[in-house]
Amino acid sequence: DGGITQSPKYLFRKEGQNVTLSCEQNLNHDAMYWYRQDPGQGLRLIYYSQIVNDFQKGDIAEGYSVSREKKESFPLTVTSAQKNPTAFYLCASSILRNNEQFFGPGTRLTVL
Amino acid sequence: SQKIEQNSEALNIQEGKTATLTCNYTNYSPAYLQWYRQDPGRGPVFLLLIRENEKEKRKERLKVTFDTTLKQSLFHITASQPADSATYLCALDDGQNFVFGPGTRLSVLP
Repeated sequence: DGGITQSPKYLFRKEGQNVTLSCEQNLNHDAMYWYRQDPGQGLRLIYYSQIVNDFQKGDIAEGYSVSREKKESFPLTVTSAQKNPTAFYLCASSILRNNEQFFGPGTRLTVL
Repeated sequence: SQKIEQNSEALNIQEGKTATLTCNYTNYSPAYLQWYRQDPGRGPVFLLLIRENEKEKRKERLKVTFDTTLKQSLFHITASQPADSATYLCALDDGQNFVFGPGTRLSVLP
């Protein structure tokens, strides 16, 4: 089946620790995105990548880092510098930037 | 930066009626606008994309309009069903980033 996967579904971390969220797609899409969603709010863009080895900051990139070494993978690291990391994180991909986005199931991160 | 507003946080309608959701934006002229559906605890699912040169677009019971003068998009669900209950998000590309609205939570009552 073609699709986009995120793991794990739930993640707990202690304050001060870095954590990496996985995002993989087998749709052969060039563009990939990371969003954050807080309760009752819309999605906010963290980072996006249009091609391998290239990515751009979104509106709320501070405290996060990404890599795009392979077309199908776009992992997100939440660093200890992120002040309020507890949130629902969504990864998405699209054929090109201006096309519909396909979303993964999300990872719910809780910082204890 | 671009700001998107969706008319109401929650909307309740009776089954069989038409639901109308509003998306208003400011400070930019997007080339297109997208609508997504999101169920609780899940990722959004794409529904429709409408471009600036298209006044209206339809897909089964869904209809989207785009008024670039008013800076507004309307999303209609005709003959609504309880299964249509979800949060609906509009989104646009402001040339630098994708921006999503806060969403409208639609409840279709049987």
